[in-house]
Amino acid sequence: KQEVTQIPAALSVPEGENLVLNCSFTDSAIYNLQWFRQDPGKGLTSLLLIQSSQREQTSGRLNASLDKSSGRSTLYIAASQPGDSATYLCAPTGANSKLTFGKGITLSVRP
Amino acid sequence: DAGVIQSPRHEVTEMGQEVTLRCKPISGHNSLFWYRQTMMRGLELLIYFNNNVPIDDSGMPEDRFSAKMPNASFSTLKIQPSEPRDSAVYFCASSAGLAGGFETQYFGPGTRLLVL
Repeated sequence: KQEVTQIPAALSVPEGENLVLNCSFTDSAIYNLQWFRQDPGKGLTSLLLIQSSQREQTSGRLNASLDKSSGRSTLYIAASQPGDSATYLCAPTGANSKLTFGKGITLSVRP
Repeated sequence: DAGVIQSPRHEVTEMGQEVTLRCKPISGHNSLFWYRQTMMRGLELLIYFNNNVPIDDSGMPEDRFSAKMPNASFSTLKIQPSEPRDSAVYFCASSAGLAGGFETQYFGPGTRLLVL
């Protein structure tokens, strides 16, 4: 059974800092991995999807990397802004086509 | 596009009552997913459909839960009878195919269910 770990559970940084959010998973037999953002009281928004054959994916100030063999993914946020404050969840997709979510990292960017 | 639409957004009911949650996926999407989110367990997949057919319902907690997708534009998740431990946020998501490929899942705003 896939298990996804995101540590720490919460993170507070000053505006402008570059930061890295980590995700680890136990089963490397995945099709892809997605990073989502969830704002309080809202649904999830997909940020990046990395195919299992890819090493990284970029969108604006976000860069996600995937090391399938070691069961790790990172989300890099450059020049963080208060608007980046949210919970970030990673979710690998397994051979059964199901996403398994981590519990997320709640990020607070202080002005 | 309006995105994934869920109703109601909030539901408060008493233990033992029947609860029906509704979802309209994004037009053209052929996969639909129901998730439950709690503080303790995080986000869990309950069931998913492809082309209106249930593919995997192994996440449905027990027989009190049932889901249907009578057509490509509508799905329901029903809890009967409801219990306080069913209190959670229920999300519906849709994608253009099964998640094993290039497809991203698009989530609705969720239904916050409180069972007293």
